[in-house]
Order: sequence, then structure tokens, then C-alpha cells
Amino acid sequence: DGGITQSPKYLFRKEGQNVTLSCEQNLNHDAMYWYRQDPGQGLRLIYYSQIVNDFQKGDIAEGYSVSREKKESFPLTVTSAQKNPTAFYLCASISRAGGGEQYFGPGTRLTVT
Amino acid sequence: RKEVEQDPGPFNVPEGATVAFNCTYSNSASQSFFWYRQDCRKEPKLLMSVYSSGNEDGRFTAQLNRASQYISLLIRDSKLSDSATYLCVVNMQTNTGNQFYFGTGTSLTVIP
Repeated sequence: DGGITQSPKYLFRKEGQNVTLSCEQNLNHDAMYWYRQDPGQGLRLIYYSQIVNDFQKGDIAEGYSVSREKKESFPLTVTSAQKNPTAFYLCASISRAGGGEQYFGPGTRLTVT
Repeated sequence: RKEVEQDPGPFNVPEGATVAFNCTYSNSASQSFFWYRQDCRKEPKLLMSVYSSGNEDGRFTAQLNRASQYISLLIRDSKLSDSATYLCVVNMQTNTGNQFYFGTGTSLTVIP
């Protein structure tokens, strides 16, 4: 089955530690996105990548970093510089040739204490 | 001003009722429009794309009014399983790629 996988589903970390969230897709999609969702708020864009080895900052990139070394993979690192890292993190992708809709992974719920 | 605005609700309706959600967007250059459904603690899933001519999928009808920058979703004959948060999403092609803007979502609870 084609799709987007994110792991782990739940992640707990101590304050001050960096943590990397995984996002893999086997849809052959070109563009990939990372969002953060907080209660009562819409999805906010952290980073996105249109092609391999290229990525752009979104609205709330501070305290996060990404890489896009392979088309299938777009890992997100939450660094210790991110002041409020506890959130639900969603990865998405689209095909340039598609109708424009995004497909989402199941998300990673990160809790930092 | 937010790119996409939705009434957060909550909407509590009885089974069988018809309910309508509205959404406005601020950028007239927006190109594609969608409604997503999100269940509690899950990822958003595409419900339907929205076209100027209007489109229908079973009990769901979506409409786009570009002149008023307004998108709507109508759900007829509500089922208990329709209970979820509905997200209005707008897409724009920029010089750095496709960007998507999300409303905060409208919460629907269908009551037996």
C-alpha cells in the first residue's frame, strides 16, 4: 500500500534534548511538508521541500531543522531552541502532477517535559 | 488577518439534520480549495476538492464563490459518523512552490 508513514506515534523527551521525527512516503511525491498543530489552532507550516536537496522555511521554522537527501524522506529535528515543542506534528506530501490535494501521515505526538 | 477563517463552532445537530459550514479566504490569488475532515487525535483526510461550479459527493456539497472569496460545505442527512472537525484549506502556487493555508476547523457533533 502506498502512503506516508511517521514514526514514532508518541514521543517523550526531556527539555534541552534534540529529537528527530521521521517521515517517509512511497507515493513518489515531489513535495513534502511539515506542520505543527496545537489545540484550537489550525495547522501551521514549519518547513517544506519541493525537490530533493532543497527546502524552504514556513511560518514557524525557528527551533526546527530539516533535510531532504532522498525523495522519499523528509525528517524534522526539533531542537532545544524551540521554546514550546510539545505539539502534534504532521507530515504531508503532494504530487506535482496531482490535483493539488495533500496527503497526510498519521502524525507524531511529541511531549517535552 | 488570517489567510483562512472559519467559524470554530461547535455545531451540535441531531441525526438527519442538514448543516452548513462557511469559510472565507483573504488572498484572491488562491488557486485550489479543499475540505478536509479530521477526527480527534488523527491526521486530516481529504473530504473533497471545491470547484467554482460546485461539486457534490453523496450527502456532501461544496461550493466556491471566487468573487466573495467564500467556500461552503453542506452536509445533508447527518450521520453520527459525521462527527469530526472540518478544515477549510486553500492552496496557492508561489515562486517557492505550493503552499497550503488551513482554517482552524469547525467542530461538528451529530447527536442521536
